[in-house]
Amino acid sequence: KNQVEQSPQSLIILEGKNCTLQCNYTVSPFSNLRWYKQDTGRGPVSLTIMTFSENTKSNGRYTATLDADTKQSSLHITASQLSDSASYICVVSGTGKLIFGQGTTLQVKP
Amino acid sequence: DGGITQSPKYLFRKEGQNVTLSCEQNLNHDAMYWYRQDPGQGLRLIYYSQIVNDFQKGDIAEGYSVSREKKESFPLTVTSAQKNPTAFYLCATGQRVDTGELFFGEGSRLTVL
Repeated sequence: KNQVEQSPQSLIILEGKNCTLQCNYTVSPFSNLRWYKQDTGRGPVSLTIMTFSENTKSNGRYTATLDADTKQSSLHITASQLSDSASYICVVSGTGKLIFGQGTTLQVKP
Repeated sequence: DGGITQSPKYLFRKEGQNVTLSCEQNLNHDAMYWYRQDPGQGLRLIYYSQIVNDFQKGDIAEGYSVSREKKESFPLTVTSAQKNPTAFYLCATGQRVDTGELFFGEGSRLTVL
């Protein structure tokens, strides 16, 4: 069964600290993996896309990694800011279908 | 201003009433989607359309209906047959189904009283 599992479900960190969010998937065949950021009450916005051949990709303070062998991805946030408080959603694409993870809710406290 | 416009942002409905959520886009994307989001769950696909006058059921289409008469518009009707309609509804567009790149609207929150 095609599934995307994210961990942790929620996370609280202090402003300025780093954190890492995890995404494990069983989608096959695999096309690409995207991380989205969703602010409360808003639509998700794409942060980064990872294809099979890519291991690491950065977008400012966000760095995504992909291990296609173990079917795992992570999103690392450096020097967190209050505006990073949001839900982060991992989406895996395979055979024209998108499989969404349930998201990780991140709260950054001052 | 380019993008996707969903309306209304908030909607309250009495049980037994049908409601229609609007989604308009000026990105010139062929594909449009409707997703439902519930707390603690991933987005679930209701309906999608890859071309005008054609649409396909998603994973949870029961109790919903759509139309695609224009490329720019993909309205979603939540019918009285939907047993648990209270949710956050997201419209999205994309250029190709397989790239996984979706552009989302701001969402519509439907509450059944």
